[in-house]
Amino acid sequence: EVQMLESGGGLVQPGGSLRLSCAASGFTFYAYALTWVRQAPGKGLEWVSSFSGSGGTTYYADSVKGRFTISRDISKNTLYLQMSSLRGEDTAVYYCAKTTSISVRRPFDYWGQGTLVTVSS
Amino acid sequence: EIVLTQSPGTLSLSPGERATLSCRASQSVTSSYLAWYQQKPGQAPRLLIYDASSRATGIPDRFSGSGSGTDFTLTISSLEPEDFAVYYCQQYGSSFTFGQGTKLEIK
Repeated sequence: EVQMLESGGGLVQPGGSLRLSCAASGFTFYAYALTWVRQAPGKGLEWVSSFSGSGGTTYYADSVKGRFTISRDISKNTLYLQMSSLRGEDTAVYYCAKTTSISVRRPFDYWGQGTLVTVSS
Repeated sequence: EIVLTQSPGTLSLSPGERATLSCRASQSVTSSYLAWYQQKPGQAPRLLIYDASSRATGIPDRFSGSGSGTDFTLTISSLEPEDFAVYYCQQYGSSFTFGQGTKLEIK
């Protein structure tokens, strides 16, 4: 059974940093692209960042480029999102999701339950 | 960036009725790389349809997708009580964008 479990969310001040983790199980971790998607309170879904299964390429939304870094640890089957220079508009539930193939250009078939990040003073 | 516009914003129907949800793209979606997701309150989204018309694993056949280019449709042939939720379309052919969602509510 595929499972994705996010952690690391919490309250952080504007300008601060936070690292999210996503522990994955039930599939061959390095064979699939992985993604972070966020959802601001009461709003729709916004793609944040993706990591190709081959490990060679990362992708970022313009809204987070230069501030967020996606990475993975194959030995721990864990995906990370390092977030810095956080702003109020980064407040959201952050979901990690598995893509259906090694390529990022595919839909997201398994999602975690999300972790809430609140940026406020 | 491809902008996806979903209509209607809210759809009020009764169980047993047919639901038709629309997703229009600001430019043609590469290779019909268009997906539909269902999200219930407090839950993560669930993949329903990918590549415009292919049902994801375990999705009932009352859900169907169609369309190409810039116009796509999700149809639920006969609504079940558990189908009332928010539905999002997403394109993954040119970066990734989501529509703003359609709320399907019980009439």
